Amino acid sequence: EPEVTQTPSHQVTQMGQEVILRCVPISNHLYFYWYRQILGQKVEFLVSFYNNEISEKSEIFDDQFSVERPDGSNFTLKIRSTKLEDSAMYFCATTWGQNTEAFFGQGTRLTVV
Amino acid sequence: EDQVTQSPEALRLQEGESSSLNCSYTVSGLRGLFWYRQDPGKGPEFLFTLYSAGEEKEKERLKATLTKKESFLHITAPKPEDSATYLCAVVSSSNTGKLIFGQGTTLQVKP
Repeated sequence: EPEVTQTPSHQVTQMGQEVILRCVPISNHLYFYWYRQILGQKVEFLVSFYNNEISEKSEIFDDQFSVERPDGSNFTLKIRSTKLEDSAMYFCATTWGQNTEAFFGQGTRLTVV
Repeated sequence: EDQVTQSPEALRLQEGESSSLNCSYTVSGLRGLFWYRQDPGKGPEFLFTLYSAGEEKEKERLKATLTKKESFLHITAPKPEDSATYLCAVVSSSNTGKLIFGQGTTLQVKP
């Protein structure tokens, strides 16, 4: 069964460092998303990406964040200068249509110390 | 503002004791309502999609229903392996397919 793959599963980084979270979407999916979930809180939308550009971003997704699809297969989320409050689970999700079911990866647990 | 509220926050059932989880939503034009299951430390796992009021979907012990203001996830004769957090999310017409999640209902089924 096709699945969304995320790496790494866990990353610990020092405050102020850059991190890149990686996702391999399901092959025939066209819409890509990043969500985050702070421990004990609800899943929050960060950004949507379609046709090689951002289609929507939330207030959380400020200038410290960026996304790209560097090689047509991977989908990455970069945080330029991490803060303590960036500690969370980050989930990649993909869909084949705009209103169809999203399939989520297993997440990257980011810990900023 | 689009909003999703789930109740109860937590639910404890004995094995075999049926119950329902509620998801109330306020959106500017519903494009779809989705139910997910989330195990601790894992990503949400897709269960159902509902698109219009009156629609119902079933899978094993789970049944999802939809009205114009809320959705229910009915769990019939649950087993301990049904223990998880159940998430409800909507896609509205005012955005680009993003999911707006409720806070979830954490279900514990005791043998």
